[in-house]
Amino acid sequence: SQTIHQWPATLVQPVGSPLSLECTVEGTSNPNLYWYRQAAGRGLQLLFYSVGIGQISSEVPQNLSASRPQDRQFILSSKKLLLSDSGFYLCAWHGASGTYEQYFGPGTRLTVT
Amino acid sequence: AQTVTQSQPEMSVQEAETVTLSCTYDTSESNYYLFWYKQPPSRQMILVIRQEAYKQQNATENRFSVNFQKAAKSFSLKISDSQLGDTAMYFCAFHTNAGKSTFGDGTTLTVKP
Repeated sequence: SQTIHQWPATLVQPVGSPLSLECTVEGTSNPNLYWYRQAAGRGLQLLFYSVGIGQISSEVPQNLSASRPQDRQFILSSKKLLLSDSGFYLCAWHGASGTYEQYFGPGTRLTVT
Repeated sequence: AQTVTQSQPEMSVQEAETVTLSCTYDTSESNYYLFWYKQPPSRQMILVIRQEAYKQQNATENRFSVNFQKAAKSFSLKISDSQLGDTAMYFCAFHTNAGKSTFGDGTTLTVKP
C-alpha cells in the first residue's frame, strides 16, 4: 500500500532563517506531487505541483521554492523566511493516471518568529 | 483560472439528521474532477467522495452523496444520518487533467449530540 511521509511535524524558525520541508511517498511510482499551505481556519492554497522529476509548476510568486530530486521526493525550501510564511504545510500525491483523488501527508506546522 | 466557492463557513446538525453543504465552481475546462475532502481536528485530510465531470450519475459513498449540476457548476454534499465523527472541516476541490487543483475555503460542520 502507499504511504506519504512529511517531516518535521512542527518547526519554529526565526525570520530570515532558511527552510527545508521534505515529503516522500512509498508504494507508487511517478506520482503527481503537491505542496499546499493552509492558514488557520482557511482552505488550502496550492503552492507547487510536479508531474515528474525536475518538473515544477509554481502557482504563487513568493520566497518559497520546490524541488523534486527523485521520483518520490518533494522538497519545499526557502532561503530567508518571512513572518507571513507561518502556516500548516501539506504535501499530497495522486497517481499519474486515474481519477486524481489526492492523498495527503500529516502536515508540518511552521511558526516563523 | 478555476475558482471554488463554499458559501457556508459554518454549519451545525443534530446527530442522526441530514445536512447539505454547498459548493459552486467556475471553470472553462470541459474535463475535470470534483472532490469533497474532510479535515477533522487532527488536520489529516481525508477523501470523502469524488465525481467525474463526464458522468451524469451522482456519486454515492455510504452516507455521503453529491448533487452534481454541471450546467449550474454546482457540487453539493449531502450527509445522511449524521454522526459525531462527521464533525470536521469539509473542503470542496476541483482538479484538472493537467494536474492543477483548487480548493474552497471550507465549511466547518459540527454534529451535535
